[in-house]
Amino acid sequence: DTEVTQTPKHLVMGMTNKKSLKCEQHMGHRAMYWYKQKAKKPPELMFVYSYEKLSINESVPSRFSPECPNSSLLNLHLHALQPEDSALYLCASSQTQGAAGANVLTFGAGSRLTVL
Amino acid sequence: GQQLNQSPQSMFIQEGEDVSMNCTSSSIFNTWLWYKQDPGEGPVLLIALYKAGELTSNGRLTAQFGITRKDSFLNISASIPSDVGIYFCAGRSYGQNFVFGPGTRLSVLP
Repeated sequence: DTEVTQTPKHLVMGMTNKKSLKCEQHMGHRAMYWYKQKAKKPPELMFVYSYEKLSINESVPSRFSPECPNSSLLNLHLHALQPEDSALYLCASSQTQGAAGANVLTFGAGSRLTVL
Repeated sequence: GQQLNQSPQSMFIQEGEDVSMNCTSSSIFNTWLWYKQDPGEGPVLLIALYKAGELTSNGRLTAQFGITRKDSFLNISASIPSDVGIYFCAGRSYGQNFVFGPGTRLSVLP
């Protein structure tokens, strides 16, 4: 299995809603990432988990709350979002977080979030 | 912080033409990745480069890791309609996370 699976594919939520994005990989990767991508822009790093521990938080507002329940799963909990948070949210994984060896990012198909 | 520049920003080519695009950095990198992204989908890895001077092919795609370690090139030969999309380079220095370029948007005219 060489895939990163993200659900849901599309999500529409109001500013008072609580929702979650889910990501799963079964490649044995020990680093998992959340990226945010606005239209016509490159992916922008939000969070990195390494061996199920939060390693990097790129000053993301607290209305985004990541969770890594185990080595295969990564969640992004969403609460009280703003319309400007509408974007494509991408999950990625890599063998480890480090720069050694053939350590590439494998991306999921993304979750398209619209905040009304 | 580290920044990447990609050129051209966009290009329109005829089907069958060859395509060249590049990525430059202000920092030395030890890994370069090239991705293609279709609308509404996640980036898909095309080619990974790990050594200065390395030249790697994947079908009609060829990419090179520049010898200065501050640039990389991607060439597509004999373009076809399904080559349409946004091409992102990503680079990393040791101990750092990947940095993405702003992308090159490719359009192929029949």
